Amino acid sequence: DGGITQSPKYLFRKEGQNVTLSCEQNLNHDAMYWYRQDPGQGLRLIYYSQIVNDFQKGDIAEGYSVSREKKESFPLTVTSAQKNPTAFYLCASSQGTEAFFGQGTRLTVV
Amino acid sequence: GESVGLHLPTLSVQEGDNSIINCAYSNSASDYFIWYKQESGKGPQFIIDIRSNMDKRQGQRVTVLLNKTVKHLSLQIAATQPGDSAVYFCAEKGVVSTLGRLYFGRGTQLTVWP
Repeated sequence: DGGITQSPKYLFRKEGQNVTLSCEQNLNHDAMYWYRQDPGQGLRLIYYSQIVNDFQKGDIAEGYSVSREKKESFPLTVTSAQKNPTAFYLCASSQGTEAFFGQGTRLTVV
Repeated sequence: GESVGLHLPTLSVQEGDNSIINCAYSNSASDYFIWYKQESGKGPQFIIDIRSNMDKRQGQRVTVLLNKTVKHLSLQIAATQPGDSAVYFCAEKGVVSTLGRLYFGRGTQLTVWP
């Protein structure tokens, strides 16, 4: 089936550690996105990429990093510089119209 | 800057009634609008979209209305069912054909009572 796969579904991190969230798509989409969602809130854009080897900061990029070495993959690293990383992270891809979302990764800092 | 917002954070309806979820946007140049449904703990799912050259678009039990004059978007759900309970987001894009970003509203929590 075509779609977007995020892994893991749940992730626990100790304070001060970096952690990488995986996002893979087989839709052949050029654009990929990372959003953060806090309880009862909307989606806030962290980073997005319109083409391989290129990406742009979104509204809340501080404390996060991404790479786009392959069209299918857009991993997000939550660094120790992110002061409040506990949240639900959503990856999406698009080819100009609607964005298709993965099922999310819930990150908890312990 | 561009922004998309929602008038009401929560909406409660009885099963079988019609639901109307509203959304306001601020960028008059926006060309493309989408409604998403998000169930608890899951990613948003596409419901219906509309381009700025249209005023109305219908899907299965859903209708999206676009009023460009007042920059307002609404989602109507006919004969609302318990399975429709979710958070609904509107999203807006400057130009539909580009690979640019979508701007999301805050969301409306729809609760359907039996």
